Amino acid sequence: QKEVEQNSGPLSVPEGAIASLNCTYSDRGSQSFFWYRQYSGKSPELIMFIYSNGDKEDGRFTAQLNKASQYVSLLIRDSQPSDSATYLCATHYTGANSKLTFGKGITLSVRP
Amino acid sequence: DAGITQSPRHKVTETGTPVTLRCHQTENHRYMYWYRQDPGHGLRLIHYSYGVKDTDKGEVSDGYSVSRSKTEDFLLTLESATSSQTSVYFCAISEQGETPMHFGDGTRLSIL
Repeated sequence: QKEVEQNSGPLSVPEGAIASLNCTYSDRGSQSFFWYRQYSGKSPELIMFIYSNGDKEDGRFTAQLNKASQYVSLLIRDSQPSDSATYLCATHYTGANSKLTFGKGITLSVRP
Repeated sequence: DAGITQSPRHKVTETGTPVTLRCHQTENHRYMYWYRQDPGHGLRLIHYSYGVKDTDKGEVSDGYSVSRSKTEDFLLTLESATSSQTSVYFCAISEQGETPMHFGDGTRLSIL
């Protein structure tokens, strides 16, 4: 069973702190990784994608990929109350390049 | 925002009735997907399409059928709706199989 696992959460951080969201995956052959943000009652919104080992930064967001350890993380710097949402991790598994497999998500709450 | 329109946005129907959900895109993307999202299960792939008249099953395809007669339209049909198909349904598109996926606003379907 190919799985994407996320911390069950919820995760609560104070405003201005760094929020760290983690995701592990079971298929060592996975090549592409995505982070989506989903506000309550809304559709998932793509915020980051990463294909290579290392860090990728975009504004306050940093995605980190470690293929040897099979984990991908999302760091949110200077967290704001507007970052409060559910964050979904997703990957394409080997041989299923057209299909994204999603984790169940982790809910982040940023306290003012 | 990706040009994806789902219709209807909300629907309430009775067990045993046929239901068709429509996804329309203006991006001319090759790939289109139908996901359902349920508490405790996350996003699960129902069916996807990789071109006109080219479709394949996802992990939860039983009880659903799809059709794609034009690049821009992807239809999801529940031939005889059951209460277990009550869910939020999301359409998504991507330019190629491994490129980032973007979601429509969703259809909330209730089957009584």
